[in-house]
This record gives sequence, structure tokens and C-alpha cells, in this order.
Amino acid sequence: DTAVSQTPKYLVTQMGNDKSIKCEQNLGHDTMYWYKQDSKKFLKIMFSYNNKELIINETVPNRFSPKSPDKAHLNLHINSLELGDSAVYFCASSPSRAATQPQHFGDGTRLSIL
Amino acid sequence: GENVEQHPSTLSVQEGDSAVIKCTYSDSASNYFPWYKQELGKRPQLIIDIRSNVGEKKDQRIAVTLNKTAKHFSLHITETQPEDSAVYFCAAGGTSYGKLTFGQGTILTVHP
Repeated sequence: DTAVSQTPKYLVTQMGNDKSIKCEQNLGHDTMYWYKQDSKKFLKIMFSYNNKELIINETVPNRFSPKSPDKAHLNLHINSLELGDSAVYFCASSPSRAATQPQHFGDGTRLSIL
Repeated sequence: GENVEQHPSTLSVQEGDSAVIKCTYSDSASNYFPWYKQELGKRPQLIIDIRSNVGEKKDQRIAVTLNKTAKHFSLHITETQPEDSAVYFCAAGGTSYGKLTFGQGTILTVHP
């Protein structure tokens, strides 16, 4: 039973399109995150939600819009996709917003922009 | 904000040797330091973590040490095996920013 699940696993699309990635966790955690991992493997936080409330919003283009319908789900919508958006996007969750407990990652969504 | 520096960026060892990866952090308020292992094409997975009230923690072949005064912490892997080959990330958390700040990652290769 996967703890943090993301869909889709792979996403190949054209520049200019709009796409969404979904994430669900069944751990009962309060806090969920989106990370971007580029080709150099650097893990950069994008957003964090705690119990449906946005608590971290890093310097990310406003083409990226997260949505959390409930504390078990966090989705990421990307408008007008650009070549530089190609990366692996990881969803993660943790018990609380304090960042003093382990974060559990999903398997990632590999986004390729043609 | 917090800044985490990780060294080396690549590390190549022979099977059976030890491997050490070092990280420094900037915010003295950080009090939680996890280490993640990411195999090729897989998700980062927590392998060990340490909190600021502890100086060292061991789990079989892996250990982490923390020096709060110098603001650095290290991952030690003994008797390395080929399956230890992966990218290892350190991170620091627990400040008011409410996020983990990751190091740049170390690509560890263990040669049989």
C-alpha cells in the first residue's frame, strides 16, 4: 500500500500546454510538499501546505499553481509549459509543518517538454 | 534563510571501504538533520536522522555525527557494498521557516 502516490509517473507534452500532477498520501500527515529535482539532482522546495493552508511559497513562476482540496491531497497545475520546466517533480508529506520529522516522498513525476 | 553545503559532490570507493559525506549549515536554530538516499530513477528515502540534542547516532553500517558548535554533520558508511551506490542528500530543518533545506547531493559509487 503506497504511502505517497503521484500520478502520472511520466508526462511528455508540448511547450505551451497546461498539465496537472496529482498527489495523495494515506499516512494521516498534516503537511504536504512539492519539490522540483532538475538534471543536476538538486532538490528544491516549491510549495508546502499544512491542513489545506499554503505555508511555503518559494520563488516559483505564477504559472505553477498548487491546490489542496483536503489534507490528504495536493495537486500541481502548470500553465504554458516551458522547456525549463522539464524535471522530476516529487510530492512529499510529513506529520507536521515543523520540519523536525521525516518527510516521505512519492515516486516522482518525470515531466518532459518537447 | 538556511543554507546547506554538502561535500564531496562525487565519491568513489572500493567495496569494503568506508565513505564519509560532510555537510555544513548556516542557521544555528536548525535542530533536525536527516539523510536521504536516492537510487537511480527512484524516490529519496530517509536512511538516518539526528536531532540537535544528540551528538552521534548509529544504525548498523551507517552513522551520523553532529557538531552543533561548528554547524556541521557527517554521514559515515562502513563496509560499503555495491548496493550503497546512490545519491545521498543531507538536509537541515526545524527553524521557523518550516522547511527542510537540502544539500546539493553526493553521488556515491562503490566499485566491486
